[in-house]
Amino acid sequence: DTEVTQTPKHLVMGMTNKKSLKCEQHMGHRAMYWYKQKAKKPPELMFVYSYEKLSINESVPSRFSPECPNSSLLNLHLHALQPEDSALYLCASSQEVTGGISTEAFFGQGTRLTVV
Amino acid sequence: AQKVTQAQTEISVVEKEDVTLDCVYETRDTTYYLFWYKQPPSGELVFLIRRNSFDEQNEISGRYSWNFQKSTSSFNFTITASQVVDSAVYFCALGRLGAAGNKLTFGGGTRVLVKP
Repeated sequence: DTEVTQTPKHLVMGMTNKKSLKCEQHMGHRAMYWYKQKAKKPPELMFVYSYEKLSINESVPSRFSPECPNSSLLNLHLHALQPEDSALYLCASSQEVTGGISTEAFFGQGTRLTVV
Repeated sequence: AQKVTQAQTEISVVEKEDVTLDCVYETRDTTYYLFWYKQPPSGELVFLIRRNSFDEQNEISGRYSWNFQKSTSSFNFTITASQVVDSAVYFCALGRLGAAGNKLTFGGGTRVLVKP
């Protein structure tokens, strides 16, 4: 199973709503990521969780709140978003091995978020 | 600082033509990783290849081939005998080695349109 599953695939939310994006992988990967991708732009890293601990926060506004309940799950809680936060949100995971060898990241299909 | 440049924003070819995508990178790391990802309209980023900085051997995999030249900091990708299904955005990415996970820096992407 080499799949990263993201739900929902599409989400429309108002600026006062609270919603969550979910990501799941069953590959035993110990690093998980949230990326944001605007139209016709490359993905931009938001957060990295390594061994279920937040290791990188790329100065993301607090209206985005990540959570890693266990090694297979990654959530992104959304609150009081702005229309400019509309984007494709991609989750990814990768395996870290002894020695810190970097490996490829496996990406989910993303959640296409529209903030109205 | 890490940087990846894909000078071609869009390439349009007719089916069966060859397509070469250019990628130039900048890094101060002595050990690093280079990747190519494909993003079809569905949104998922599909891993194609990883190259380590200490392995300059070029590779051919089916209709895909890669040319890694450390001396010119380039990692080019060629699709031979292109097909309509190759239409997608292709991203070159640079990965750092770090204990906190695999942080990827993406190029701007090259949109490939293969016409029948």
